[in-house]
Amino acid sequence: LAKTTQPISMDSYEGQEVNITCSHNNIATNDYITWYQQFPSQGPRFIIQGYKTKVTNEVASLFIPADRKSSTLSLPRVSLSDTAVYYCLVGARYSSASKIIFGSGTRLSIRP
Amino acid sequence: DTAVSQTPKYLVTQMGNDKSIKCEQNLGHDTMYWYKQDSKKFLKIMFSYNNKELIINETVPNRFSPKSPDKAHLNLHINSLELGDSAVYFCASSVETTGGARYGYTFGSGTRLTVV
Repeated sequence: LAKTTQPISMDSYEGQEVNITCSHNNIATNDYITWYQQFPSQGPRFIIQGYKTKVTNEVASLFIPADRKSSTLSLPRVSLSDTAVYYCLVGARYSSASKIIFGSGTRLSIRP
Repeated sequence: DTAVSQTPKYLVTQMGNDKSIKCEQNLGHDTMYWYKQDSKKFLKIMFSYNNKELIINETVPNRFSPKSPDKAHLNLHINSLELGDSAVYFCASSVETTGGARYGYTFGSGTRLTVV
């Protein structure tokens, strides 16, 4: 199982761009990188997934370097409502849920 | 609304009691899960059912018994509750058994269980 390491917490201010980096040194060839967002008192929500280079959707961008040993979730112009815990997951696209490991995530706090 | 809904949202009970948490999804997904989230935010899978059949049963005490009457429902019954069972329990669903990895898991809003 590919283990991930991400910062425990991060602080930023409204309007800033926030980048959260996740390390996954033993990522396998078939593994994809997925990020979830969890607001207080809610379940995690799938926000973005990628394999290499860059993926962008309406919520975030995901940057993955060529060696794929890390990835960066980028949130443009954050607002207070982006305060949440962000989880980085690594696993093959046909993996059983028992092989998809949620770590403790990064607690992002946005200040006015 | 299409969603995963679980009840109750909060559950406070005494040690030794038996309690149940219910979950329903109207997304048409084939697979449902129970996860446990501890105070440090670690989210750990407990069980998974695919179309009413148990497919994942992680190392969980026998006091925890899931039950899936149909593919849209997955309930969790807990016997003889202990202090260490206090946590947030999340129900989730995915398109298929491996659909979670491909398309993501849809989670309910959680049940905060407090055992006193």
